[in-house]
Amino acid sequence: EVQLLESGGGLVQPGGSLRLSCVASGLTFSTYVMSWVRQAPGKGLEWVSSIGGRGDGSLYADSVKGRFTISRDNSKNTLYLQVNSLRAEDTAIYYCAKGLNWGGGHYFDSWGQGTLVTVSS
Amino acid sequence: DIQMTQSPSSVSASVGDRVTITCRASQHISSWLAWYQQKPGQAPKFLISHASILQTGVPSRFSGSGSGTDFSLTISNLQPEDFATYYCQQAGGVSWAFGQGTKVE
Repeated sequence: EVQLLESGGGLVQPGGSLRLSCVASGLTFSTYVMSWVRQAPGKGLEWVSSIGGRGDGSLYADSVKGRFTISRDNSKNTLYLQVNSLRAEDTAIYYCAKGLNWGGGHYFDSWGQGTLVTVSS
Repeated sequence: DIQMTQSPSSVSASVGDRVTITCRASQHISSWLAWYQQKPGQAPKFLISHASILQTGVPSRFSGSGSGTDFSLTISNLQPEDFATYYCQQAGGVSWAFGQGTKVE
């Protein structure tokens, strides 16, 4: 069974930084695209960023491009998201999600429980 | 970027009802569409891929249909555990968007 455990969230002032982590188990981590998806309080889901299995190739939503950096350490089965220049609108639960490529589409088939990032002075 | 629009934003239903949620894409996305279920305080759960393919363990009362720009999720014989928020997601390309969600209450 795939398990994803996020950590690193917290309260940070506008303009601040955090590093989110997601430790994966129950899968051959390096063979999967991994992603971050966020959900602002009481709002819907927003895809944030994805990274290829070997760490080669990353994608970002326009809303975070230039401020967030996704990375992974396959030796530690860990996905990271470095979040810089944080804004109030970045306040959200950040979910780690495992990717599934099938039939030309990309889906998120396993999710962690999320880590809450709150940006406030 | 492709925008996804769900309707209705909420639906009131009773156990045993048949509920249909629709999702419209701003551009043609073939069958590259997923559906997720989210209960309060929980992570989303992957229900359907490729517009109509039920994932392992998902009850057969859930079904998906559609292609191109118009899609739907139907829950027949609604059960107490089905009261939740449902999201569609366009799965094509390299930028993936979700609908705004439909709450079944």
